[in-house]
Amino acid sequence: GAVVSQHPSRVICKSGTSVKIECRSLDFQATTMFWYRQFPKQSLMLMATSNEGSKATYEQGVEKDKFLINHASLTLSTLTVTSAHPEDSSFYICSANPGLAYNEQFFGPGTRLTVL
Amino acid sequence: AQSVTQLGSHVSVSEGALVLLRCNYSSSVPPYLFWYVQYPNQGLQLLLKYTSAATLVKGINGFEAEFKKSETSFHLTKPSAHMSDAAEYFCAAYGNKLVFGAGTILRVKS
Repeated sequence: GAVVSQHPSRVICKSGTSVKIECRSLDFQATTMFWYRQFPKQSLMLMATSNEGSKATYEQGVEKDKFLINHASLTLSTLTVTSAHPEDSSFYICSANPGLAYNEQFFGPGTRLTVL
Repeated sequence: AQSVTQLGSHVSVSEGALVLLRCNYSSSVPPYLFWYVQYPNQGLQLLLKYTSAATLVKGINGFEAEFKKSETSFHLTKPSAHMSDAAEYFCAAYGNKLVFGAGTILRVKS
């Protein structure tokens, strides 16, 4: 149980285009999902907290107009990287909390974004 | 602000040897603590968690961690390393959000 999927697993796009990444909780409902970014050889940094039916809460320094988050249902959150540039190339990982205590999060397999 | 420090970005052990990965947290109030493992190009898998119950926490794959408040530590151990344990390990603490340490890459030599 508690499986989180992400799609796509890898995406390569040209600079200036937008890319949408989906995060789904497959066997549970998640009122809260999280989006992290991981640069090579670095740790995960929380980008934003996504709450179903409301606006996402972004961490300091994360451009909300560049990283659009939509949490339209209890099993789906999407991250859209708008007008992507090479510096946006990174590993994006989502996680979901099925309402467990201690904010226990289940992580997706990640999406490798490469912007040319 | 809460922070997590993992001592040693790389740890190398021989197969069958003890694994010790160090983690210290900075918080006036002991947070909830987690250890995750990440294999290349994959997401994170929870190994174990501390939630203020028992201070010695047992996890999956033979790993365990001991919470020591006096040392603000939550070190991860495994008595006997296996080749399949080679991966990157992250310690994380939850106060009002999940904060990760920088990670430790474990190499297991045959």
